[in-house]
Amino acid sequence: NAGVMQNPRHLVRRRGQEARLRCSPVKGHSHVYWYRQLPEEGLKFMVYLQKENIIDESGMPKERFSAEFPKEGPSILRIQQVVRGDSAAYFCASSPRAGRTDTQYFGPGTRLTVL
Amino acid sequence: AQSVTQLDSQVPVFEEAPVELRCNYSSSVSVYLFWYVQYPNQGLQLLLKYLSGSTLVKGINGFEAEFNKSQTSFHLRKPSVHISDTAEYFCAVSGPGGGADGLTFGKGTHLIIQP
Repeated sequence: NAGVMQNPRHLVRRRGQEARLRCSPVKGHSHVYWYRQLPEEGLKFMVYLQKENIIDESGMPKERFSAEFPKEGPSILRIQQVVRGDSAAYFCASSPRAGRTDTQYFGPGTRLTVL
Repeated sequence: AQSVTQLDSQVPVFEEAPVELRCNYSSSVSVYLFWYVQYPNQGLQLLLKYLSGSTLVKGINGFEAEFNKSQTSFHLRKPSVHISDTAEYFCAVSGPGGGADGLTFGKGTHLIIQP
């Protein structure tokens, strides 16, 4: 009974490189959320996706960041041309249904370090 | 827009003593409230949530929280803590600010259990 899987758990990139973070939701969940946690901060919402659709990306930086959740395969959060300020923990969550009342199940996170 | 304030960044408590972690929120719409726990290097795990009905909500691991609409609070309590309760605790609300269905988190409270 696997929960939300994220890989890699740790990712080191140099400034200007690309970072790809993967998230496999709980089996049967079709709703995925990405959050970013900066040091000493709470999690900040980035984007909400359903299969093949971006529903809400109001928390995503306008440049360099993109997300997808294809029909097959994991959800991907992509950061192009990373900068030191992108260093953070990125968490993915999934839920079986849409709606504000549904519990979101979180993965262990990917800790991105930009050198 | 909505926000969540966790008044204490750290709370040290002796083992077997009671604890209260404070959470206040502001929102212009009806709210749904959550408490999550994050153990070191792990993802977030739901402790409990308030959707409607009884204002006293019981969760896992002996935790409970009380929704107080007049004081816009949702404080988390446990009558007797154990060393294994050492973790980061996040209060969250769902709705605008966290995306249509995302969550808005507080900055977290680090619960430190002293033997």
